[in-house]
Amino acid sequence: QKEVEQNSGPLSVPEGAIASLNCTYSDRGSQSFFWYRQYSGKSPELIMFIYSNGDKEDGRFTAQLNKASQYVSLLIRDSQPSDSATYLCAVKAPDSWGKLQFGAGTQVVVTP
Amino acid sequence: EAGVAQSPRYKIIEKRQSVAFWCNPISGHATLYWYQQILGQGPKLLIQFQNNGVVDDSQLPKDRFSAERLKGVDSTLKIQPAKLEDSAVYLCASSLGRHMNTEAFFGQGTRLTVV
Repeated sequence: QKEVEQNSGPLSVPEGAIASLNCTYSDRGSQSFFWYRQYSGKSPELIMFIYSNGDKEDGRFTAQLNKASQYVSLLIRDSQPSDSATYLCAVKAPDSWGKLQFGAGTQVVVTP
Repeated sequence: EAGVAQSPRYKIIEKRQSVAFWCNPISGHATLYWYQQILGQGPKLLIQFQNNGVVDDSQLPKDRFSAERLKGVDSTLKIQPAKLEDSAVYLCASSLGRHMNTEAFFGQGTRLTVV
């Protein structure tokens, strides 16, 4: 079992709609969760992170965390063509050193 | 504030040759990560440093890969000898510390092609 799992996609979303991305993790003790966006040929850039159960909003992005069910999700509201990218979920392990592990990413394609 | 610097941006080598990548983290960042990202996959952690000490290298192929972070600042990742399957982007990231709410920032990466 992979430690961080994501659907690879592609997830096709009409412009203006909501994109919903999911991520599950295996280590119940994981403490914090990060969403990165990666454009083709570029390095990952941080969108937001969450470490408390519930929702966290930042602009058009909302991260949702449910530690009991071991999943974290990202919602992108009013999707734009510029949101077309691969979205990587990263989980910081509960070990002493904060090992940061990534899922394989979900490709999102926003169609005009 | 300057970001994470990596060099070179691109490298093409023949199999069995050696190669080295350099990373300069954001000033003051104690944690430094090296990731390998194969096309179509997520970043795979190779090694993590806390200051100048290795805290995780469980996925580093130690028979051919080595890394160091002298003086707790710059870091070098070396591959010797390279194999075809080492073709990937090598990403360096740094974070202020190991605590749960400290995020990691990535450099532009080095794209390695082994022919």
